[in-house]
Amino acid sequence: KAGVTQTPRYLIKTRGQQVTLSCSPISGHRSVSWYQQTPGQGLQFLFEYFSETQRNKGNFPGRFSGRQFSNSRSEMNVSTLELGDSALYLCASGSGLAAGEQFFGPGTRLTVL
Amino acid sequence: QKEVEQNSGPLSVPEGAIASLNCTYSDRGSQSFFWYRQYSGKSPELIMFIYSNGDKEDGRFTAQLNKASQYVSLLIRDSQPSDSATYLCAVIMNSGGYQKVTFGTGTKLQVIP
Repeated sequence: KAGVTQTPRYLIKTRGQQVTLSCSPISGHRSVSWYQQTPGQGLQFLFEYFSETQRNKGNFPGRFSGRQFSNSRSEMNVSTLELGDSALYLCASGSGLAAGEQFFGPGTRLTVL
Repeated sequence: QKEVEQNSGPLSVPEGAIASLNCTYSDRGSQSFFWYRQYSGKSPELIMFIYSNGDKEDGRFTAQLNKASQYVSLLIRDSQPSDSATYLCAVIMNSGGYQKVTFGTGTKLQVIP
């Protein structure tokens, strides 16, 4: 079974730009969660999508948004990038039945200059 | 007070010893608890989950949960250098109708050959 894939793996943007990250979950999984990981804050939950609906969300500003398609693939968008958005963005796939039982993708390393 | 707290370490143990990793959480209503392992430069991977008070064993790993004291721990028996990684505790809490996954900042474990 193929694992979770994320594209792109690395991204360099400048302040004020926007970015879209993509995640393909494990086949059959309907839940996709997004996390931001930084050395100082650790792993922080952004939001979870299940069957194309945002089911849970963390405490991030509205510049961070996402969506999920009918094939369970998900995209995350960050608008008006700030220097502090530089981080590793991880996508996690789950069956949706047991929150917390997740399989992480390799991540997208975003650098904002 | 952080919602999920872990000692950042590093926790150094000699090869063959028992490593004990601890995690405390603030929400008494938390229902399920997960341990993830993250090697440097890699994504987190699920090791174990526990829902009920007591111990749960899986190979060299034992998860312990004490809901009254609001802590969960992970014991690694016969520690190996390959166990050297950061261990993340994740707690599922109910928050405003959502099931929120909150990670601790992780404990770095170093197993000395």
